[in-house]
Amino acid sequence: EPEVTQTPSHQVTQMGQEVILRCVPISNHLYFYWYRQILGQKVEFLVSFYNNEISEKSEIFDDQFSVERPDGSNFTLKIRSTKLEDSAMYFCASSLSGGAVTDTQYFGPGTRLTVL
Amino acid sequence: LAKTTQPISMDSYEGQEVNITCSHNNIATNDYITWYQQFPSQGPRFIIQGYKTKVTNEVASLFIPADRKSSTLSLPRVSLSDTAVYYCLVGSDRGSTLGRLYFGRGTQLTVWP
Repeated sequence: EPEVTQTPSHQVTQMGQEVILRCVPISNHLYFYWYRQILGQKVEFLVSFYNNEISEKSEIFDDQFSVERPDGSNFTLKIRSTKLEDSAMYFCASSLSGGAVTDTQYFGPGTRLTVL
Repeated sequence: LAKTTQPISMDSYEGQEVNITCSHNNIATNDYITWYQQFPSQGPRFIIQGYKTKVTNEVASLFIPADRKSSTLSLPRVSLSDTAVYYCLVGSDRGSTLGRLYFGRGTQLTVWP
């Protein structure tokens, strides 16, 4: 069964450093998402991406964040200058079509980001 | 988006049927009900989706009464591996929130031997 993959599984960085989290969505999917989950808290939407541009972003997704699909397979989330409060599990997801709840999103295993 | 309410936690034993109910009093005509499952340190996983009456797949059943103000996820004969957080989501396939999923706190199901 096709799956979303993410690398690395765990990233440790110093405050103020840039990090890039990588995702390979399911190959025929067209819509891509990033979510995050701070330990013990809810899964929160960050951004959705379609046709090489951001479709929607949440209030969390400020100027420190950016997303890119640099080639036909990877989808990346960059945090320009990490803060302690960016420590969280980051999940990438993809879906064949976009809409809302009716379009099944397939989530990757996540990258645990630890900012020291 | 309709607000959802679910129990914070539930306990069960292996082999039992588990029913998790979600309240969504303000559900709109176009809204569907979707359940996701999340194991520790993993991403959420789609389980089942429905609009009305009953939907069944290889994993679970979803019961939706006629007024659609609540729904019940039914897991038959649970095992230890069903220990997870279960999320109820309500939303439509129309609107400006393209693809954004709203996860609440979910229900932590713990299955005991």
